[in-house]
Formats: sequence, C-alpha cells, structure tokens
Amino acid sequence: GENVEQHPSTLSVQEGDSAVIKCTYSDSASNYFPWYKQELGKRPQLIIDIRSNVGEKKDQRIAVTLNKTAKHFSLHITETQPEDSAVYFCAATDSWGKFQFGAGTQVVVTP
Amino acid sequence: DTGVSQDPRHKITKRGQNVTFRCDPISEHNRLYWYRQTLGQGPEFLTYFQNEAQLEKSRLLSDRFSAERPKGSFSTLEIQRTEQGDSAMYLCASSSGTSGTDTQYFGPGTRLTVL
Repeated sequence: GENVEQHPSTLSVQEGDSAVIKCTYSDSASNYFPWYKQELGKRPQLIIDIRSNVGEKKDQRIAVTLNKTAKHFSLHITETQPEDSAVYFCAATDSWGKFQFGAGTQVVVTP
Repeated sequence: DTGVSQDPRHKITKRGQNVTFRCDPISEHNRLYWYRQTLGQGPEFLTYFQNEAQLEKSRLLSDRFSAERPKGSFSTLEIQRTEQGDSAMYLCASSSGTSGTDTQYFGPGTRLTVL
C-alpha cells in the first residue's frame, strides 16, 4: 500500500523566514496530494492541494511543488507569521483513492 | 453550520465497555471516512463509505470495530469491549464525488479515553 514519509518532524523558524516541509510517497498511482494544518485541539483544515497533472501551485504565502518522477512533494510557507504555528500533515491518495497521511511536522514560528 | 459534525466530542469509558460515535457529514457528500489519530501522528485510515456502502476497512481494524451508514447520510462507529489502546481521537471526514481525489473535510473529532 501507499507509504508517506514526512520531514522534518519539528521545524522552528523566525518570523518572516520561510518554512519548507517535504514528503515522499511510494505509490506511483497516487494523483492527489493535499496539505492540512491542524492547530492544537482542532480539526485538520485543508490549506492547499495539488493534482498530479501540475508541478506547482501557489496561494498567497503558501506553495506546493510536486515531482512525480522522484515521488516527492513539498510545502513552502514564505514570510512566516506566529499564526502559522501548527502541525502540518501531507497526504497522498493510494491506488484506491484513500488518503495516507504523513506523521506531521510541528512548525513553531518565533517572533 | 454546514460542516462535518461529530458527537460526542469527548467520551470517557471503562475498559470492556462498548462505545458508539456519530458523524454527520456535509449534506450530499457521497463519501464518508473514519480515521483514528493518536498524539504526534497523522490520521490513520479506518474505513470509508460511498453512500451507504462500506467499501473498505483497514486491515489494522480489529473485529471489535464496526461502522454503519444506513441511509447514506450520517454514520456510526462502534467499538466493542474497549481496550486502553483504543484511546485516541476519532475523526470523521466527508467528500463529494466518487473518487479519492476530492477534498476531504474533517469534523472536530471524538476524543476517547479508556480507563
């Protein structure tokens, strides 16, 4: 089945700097890659997603890149702010269309 | 509120008891998913429905777990003879369409504590 690895597990950045989180997947049939943000005690919220027919997608300070050949995708957050502090999860669909989530990255943005 | 809702939000039970959780998806969403999340981990797939049909159940799910979606709307997840290892956050998500590439919207979760 699908296996998604996510790195790093924790990431500390100074406010205003960029943050990058990387994920790799194993199932070459995967074609949808969402990213979720989860604040403490709250539900995961979709922040951006990308489908396999594009290599990059951007939404304001957030961007996602996808390399299908290498089977990895990354989340980029620019000009980080304290409210970006949260746990971020990547996910990939498996051959059956189910999500396999990464283990998460705790992002801490210090003022 | 038209988002995914779950009830109860918290459940404390003694080992060996049965518990049942409910999930109400976004109206007219065809797919409904159940996940389990433990501290420091991402959501782990348990099972999912397309309308009223349960299409897949995780191999990690023991026979003590059962889920239903009788009318293709709300769903229930029952855990029989709970064990301390069942303590976790149980998340429900729903999506429109019939493929796995549709956005999944999560509910607030039910936090289960087994004493």
